[in-house]
Amino acid sequence: ETGVTQTPRHLVMGMTNKKSLKCEQHLGHNAMYWYKQSAKKPLELMFVYSLEERVENNSVPSRFSPECPNSSHLFLHLHTLQPEDSALYLCASSLTTGNNQPQHFGDGTRLSIL
Amino acid sequence: GEDVEQSLFLSVREGDSSVINCTYTDSSSTYLYWYKQEPGAGLQLLTYIFSNMDMKQDQRLTVLLNKKDKHLSLRIADTQTGDSAIYFCAESRRGKLIFGQGTELSVKP
Repeated sequence: ETGVTQTPRHLVMGMTNKKSLKCEQHLGHNAMYWYKQSAKKPLELMFVYSLEERVENNSVPSRFSPECPNSSHLFLHLHTLQPEDSALYLCASSLTTGNNQPQHFGDGTRLSIL
Repeated sequence: GEDVEQSLFLSVREGDSSVINCTYTDSSSTYLYWYKQEPGAGLQLLTYIFSNMDMKQDQRLTVLLNKKDKHLSLRIADTQTGDSAIYFCAESRRGKLIFGQGTELSVKP
């Protein structure tokens, strides 16, 4: 599925680096999400944006900084990460944030912190 | 509890039916979802069911919902090796999706 595209697919970075993850959706959706997927754990919702406004921030450390410049693009800026931040980061979008709106996922960015 | 629960592993033979089970927690959840994740990929929406339905069928997939027991199941008929993946159920709760840990389905030839 090419509706939600994430780049890069893989990222290796040191703890002092700064990098950004990018997500783009071509579905005309108004809501976008960042999730963290770690081994053996359920998906953790990190951030929710609706019409470019952040509507959810699930106690995520400040070393993760989201940005939503328009309804088609979502970024996750990373700095001073820790080894436990190594995970698959998934972006999703939905038409709205309502319960009846299924979320469509990208293929994720596999992040490894050295 | 707060968790959506699934068994972690299921192994079936090619051609058999697979049944993946899920229990959820919020009786007011209006929509329940099944997603599939293949290695190296994101989550692919398979199907979803509205809470006023008991069953939904879509080709080889059958979803059964027991609201009284808060139990959801996904049946895959004639399971193929290409169905090997991790399957996640999710409930919608106040505009958010709450996911289970996923069931890894292994299909043996």
